[in-house]
Amino acid sequence: GDSVTQMEGPVTLSEEAFLTINCTYTATGYPSLFWYVQYPGEGLQLLLKATKADDKGSNKGFEATYRKETTSFHLEKGSVQVSDSAVYFCALKGYTGRRALTFGSGTRLQVQP
Amino acid sequence: EPEVTQTPSHQVTQMGQEVILRCVPISNHLYFYWYRQILGQKVEFLVSFYNNEISEKSEIFDDQFSVERPDGSNFTLKIRSTKLEDSAMYFCASSETSGGAEAKNIQYFGAGTRLSVL
Repeated sequence: GDSVTQMEGPVTLSEEAFLTINCTYTATGYPSLFWYVQYPGEGLQLLLKATKADDKGSNKGFEATYRKETTSFHLEKGSVQVSDSAVYFCALKGYTGRRALTFGSGTRLQVQP
Repeated sequence: EPEVTQTPSHQVTQMGQEVILRCVPISNHLYFYWYRQILGQKVEFLVSFYNNEISEKSEIFDDQFSVERPDGSNFTLKIRSTKLEDSAMYFCASSETSGGAEAKNIQYFGAGTRLSVL
């Protein structure tokens, strides 16, 4: 079945550091890929998405590129801020028409001033 | 901005009791979902609901679980006889559609209800 693997957290960075959170997936066909973010006390918010190979999703300075050859969708940001501290979830929606999202385990990011 | 609302934020119950978790999806959305996250584990899909019936469910969603849309705005998850292992964060989500135009099939999530079974 479909699965998503994320790097273990927590990730602790200083403000303005470069961020990479790795995400790889296993799925049949051509899934859609997502990054969701959860700020403390809030729900899961869609951060960015990509629906086909080589698509790049971007939002709020974050980027991720759908790499079918490496089955990856790594999240990057060039310069993190304290306000980026949150839990980041990689997820996929299968090609087969399933409505369910399959999530990774989440990666907690802590940015220090 | 429209949002999915879940109540309560934290529910404590005794093992064997029934609980109902409540959600108010975004008003023009047609598809509704429940997910759960056991502490330290992945967010897992439970069930999706459309047109007043279950459209998809996972193996976790057994006979002790049920969902209902009792009126035009609420969507509920009932756990009939809670077990210790039901302790988790439960997320409700909704989407305008489930396929087709990309923007309309994005799932919007609530803040979650933390269920603690003692």
